[in-house]
Amino acid sequence: GAGVSQTPSNKVTEKGKYVELRCDPISGHTALYWYRQSLGQGPEFLIYFQGTGAADDSGLPNDRFFAVRPEGSVSTLKIQRTERGDSAVYLCASSSQGQWNSPLHFGNGTRLTVT
Amino acid sequence: AQSVTQPDIHITVSEGASLELRCNYSYGATPYLFWYVQSPGQGLQLLLKYFSGDTLVQGIKGFEAEFKRSQSSFNLRKPSVHWSDAAEYFCAVGAGGTGRRALTFGSGTRLQVQP
Repeated sequence: GAGVSQTPSNKVTEKGKYVELRCDPISGHTALYWYRQSLGQGPEFLIYFQGTGAADDSGLPNDRFFAVRPEGSVSTLKIQRTERGDSAVYLCASSSQGQWNSPLHFGNGTRLTVT
Repeated sequence: AQSVTQPDIHITVSEGASLELRCNYSYGATPYLFWYVQSPGQGLQLLLKYFSGDTLVQGIKGFEAEFKRSQSSFNLRKPSVHWSDAAEYFCAVGAGGTGRRALTFGSGTRLQVQP
């Protein structure tokens, strides 16, 4: 079946602009996660949704970052006033339940470049 | 807060040779431990996980890992490496707590396989 889909695959934006990154999880998966992976680093947790609500947003670096999941399926990560330091691959993952033994299924990511 | 250390940034092995990738974690209680693999152009894929019980866990693609509490380690092993195993490998730890589902990843080990 279809996996986690992320669009766009690449996004180039100018410093100060606003961007939206979209994640389409596996159908029926109630849990959705956003991670950020900088060059040469492991993924860094941003936010976790269970259904429509953000159950854990402790990884969001500052108030320029915001994520929504209004209908409990597709999620959008929103970044305001982008900075060059925001350049990274943004990964989305979903799992059937928000339990540790529910494996995460990752998308291929959106590569964000802020010039 | 938990942390993960993967001491080897880059490892090269010959095809057919054995492999061990090191992972050390820091966490006050027994963590949930994971190994993920990331191949070029593909999303992160779960290789195996440890929650409790038998400290030697088997995963996909012939990989296994051993949890050693006394050493705070969770090293990944494979008896005979195949060329298709060339990829980046990430160790990750999950901390408990109500509603918390953040994985902390190490910085990864890149595996190169020589013919």
